[in-house]
Amino acid sequence: DAGVIQSPRHEVTEMGQEVTLRCKPISGHDYLFWYRQTMMRGLELLIYFNNNVPIDDSGMPEDRFSAKMPNASFSTLKIQPSEPRDSAVYFCASRRGQTDNSPLHFGNGTRLTVT
Amino acid sequence: AQKITQTQPGMFVQEKEAVTLDCTYDTSDPSYGLFWYKQPSSGEMIFLIYQGSYDQQNATEGRYSLNFQKARKSANLVISASQLGDSAMYFCAMREVRDDKIIFGKGTRLHILP
Repeated sequence: DAGVIQSPRHEVTEMGQEVTLRCKPISGHDYLFWYRQTMMRGLELLIYFNNNVPIDDSGMPEDRFSAKMPNASFSTLKIQPSEPRDSAVYFCASRRGQTDNSPLHFGNGTRLTVT
Repeated sequence: AQKITQTQPGMFVQEKEAVTLDCTYDTSDPSYGLFWYKQPSSGEMIFLIYQGSYDQQNATEGRYSLNFQKARKSANLVISASQLGDSAMYFCAMREVRDDKIIFGKGTRLHILP
């Protein structure tokens, strides 16, 4: 069974460019989460979806960030325009919501560097 | 608002000793779940153990156990007989059932010494 798949693994871009991160959750999982990890702030929850609907985007830092989930098998996190302070590892994770003890399954993350 | 606190940014422990990693949480939801994850230097997030707020027994998974003290709102991870491969970052996380949001503490970096 394939795990959560994120692409790209690494992204280096210049300030001001648009960045799109992609995620394919585990089939059958109805929750999808986006997190950002930095040394200073740890793992921050950006946004999460249930059945493709955004439930809470209060963690999205600014209007430059947007996330979509057009169907159950695909989600994107877009940053436009990107800034150096957006440099971080971005994780996507999914879980099955029907059971309380169902853990989050994480992708391998996208390491974003904005120069 | 829910909150997770891990007060130990770093710990050094001798191989084969037991380790306790602290986690306290704050929530007004009577129904919640607590998770622990391990992040080795390679960066992946590995699920270790889960404790539900209504579980009567402390959770155990192999060398991992959870010291759950509900009244004190603490959920400490205990690793028995530590191994060099246990060196990693460890995160405590909480899910509130009412909104299914899952948030993480800032983590504890554990170093196992040979």
